[in-house]
Amino acid sequence: EVQVLESGGGLVQPGGSLRLSCAASGFTFSTYAMTWVRQAPGKGLEWVSVISNSGSSTEYADSVKGRFTISRDNSKSTMFLQMNSLRGDDTAVYYCAKTSGYSTGWFDYWGPGTLVTVSS
Amino acid sequence: EIVLTQSPATLSLSPGERATLSCRASQSVTSYLAWYQQRPGQAPRLLIYDASTRATGIPARFSGSGFGTDFTLTISSLEPEDFAVYYCQQRFIWPPITFGQGTRLEIK
Repeated sequence: EVQVLESGGGLVQPGGSLRLSCAASGFTFSTYAMTWVRQAPGKGLEWVSVISNSGSSTEYADSVKGRFTISRDNSKSTMFLQMNSLRGDDTAVYYCAKTSGYSTGWFDYWGPGTLVTVSS
Repeated sequence: EIVLTQSPATLSLSPGERATLSCRASQSVTSYLAWYQQRPGQAPRLLIYDASTRATGIPARFSGSGFGTDFTLTISSLEPEDFAVYYCQQRFIWPPITFGQGTRLEIK
């Protein structure tokens, strides 16, 4: 059974940093691109970033470019999101998802999400 | 950036009725469009991809159609568990991958 599970969320002050993790199981992790999507309280879905299966290619939404870094460790079937210079509008539930392709694809399996709150 | 506009914002129907949800793209996305369902307090779930292909385990009452800029998600006969928020998504021109703002399907 395919499973993805986020961790690392919490309360952080504006300007601070946080590192999210996404542990995957039930599929060959190194075959598929992985992605992060966030959802601010009461709002819709916003794509954040994607990383190719090998980790050699990454893309970001303009809203996080230069502040967030996506990475992966295929030996541990884990993806990461390093978030720096956090702002209030970064407050959201962050979902990791498996994609259906090697560079991107449809988001076919999602984790339950982890809440990031940026507040003083 | 491709903007996806969903309509209506809210749809009020009764169980057993047919639901028709619309998604319009600001420019052609060919068939690179998906639909997701999000129930309250849950993560989104992939329903339809490539505009009309049902994802694994999705009931046959869900169907998708369209090409280019106009797409439709149809639920043929609503079950109680179908009342949720539905999002369309494109990945034809990216980054960014974009979502519509969502349609809330509520019980009348």
